[in-house]
Amino acid sequence: SQKIEQNSEALNIQEGKTATLTCNYTNYSPAYLQWYRQDPGRGPVFLLLIRENEKEKRKERLKVTFDTTLKQSLFHITASQPADSATYLCARWGGSQGNLIFGKGTKLSVKP
Amino acid sequence: DTEVTQTPKHLVMGMTNKKSLKCEQHMGHRAMYWYKQKAKKPPELMFVYSYEKLSINESVPSRFSPECPNSSLLNLHLHALQPEDSALYLCASSRAGHGQGANEQYFGPGTRLTVT
Repeated sequence: SQKIEQNSEALNIQEGKTATLTCNYTNYSPAYLQWYRQDPGRGPVFLLLIRENEKEKRKERLKVTFDTTLKQSLFHITASQPADSATYLCARWGGSQGNLIFGKGTKLSVKP
Repeated sequence: DTEVTQTPKHLVMGMTNKKSLKCEQHMGHRAMYWYKQKAKKPPELMFVYSYEKLSINESVPSRFSPECPNSSLLNLHLHALQPEDSALYLCASSRAGHGQGANEQYFGPGTRLTVT
């Protein structure tokens, strides 16, 4: 089956450090990967989209990479702040239906 | 206007009730979506409307009935729900029609539904 996996349920880091979240996919090559942030009881908020022919995308303190050899996308938040604490969802776009399928998410906690 | 609005924010209903969830966007987006999200789980797609036509129904039980009255509005009619249907129901929209590229999706704040 075409899976998208975020293997870390939770990540705890100290304020000021770089948070790195991982998204892996198996048995297919997604044309795009998207990253969303979700706060408790709220809808996801789109952050970044990266295409398979792009190695890296940046937006302010956020950086996403796409490694088709490793079948992996990494999501980095530099100089992390307590306000970055949230669940981060990786989503693939592709397949016959062209749907957006989400990974289970990684809950990031940034401690002051 | 760059937001998706949903009403009500919270809804408690009995198993014999009929209620509706509403979603609205004024960004001119051509695709609109309903998702269901249980606690500590990712959103799961229920329905997709593209250019006001139902494009995808992800084998959702008939007690959930979607409706798209116009390009800005999306409803989800609920009837004879079960307690396991309690969840956060999210509406989303995207710029192009469904299947026309990997557009980012804009989500509403959700309706917290409790079925008693």
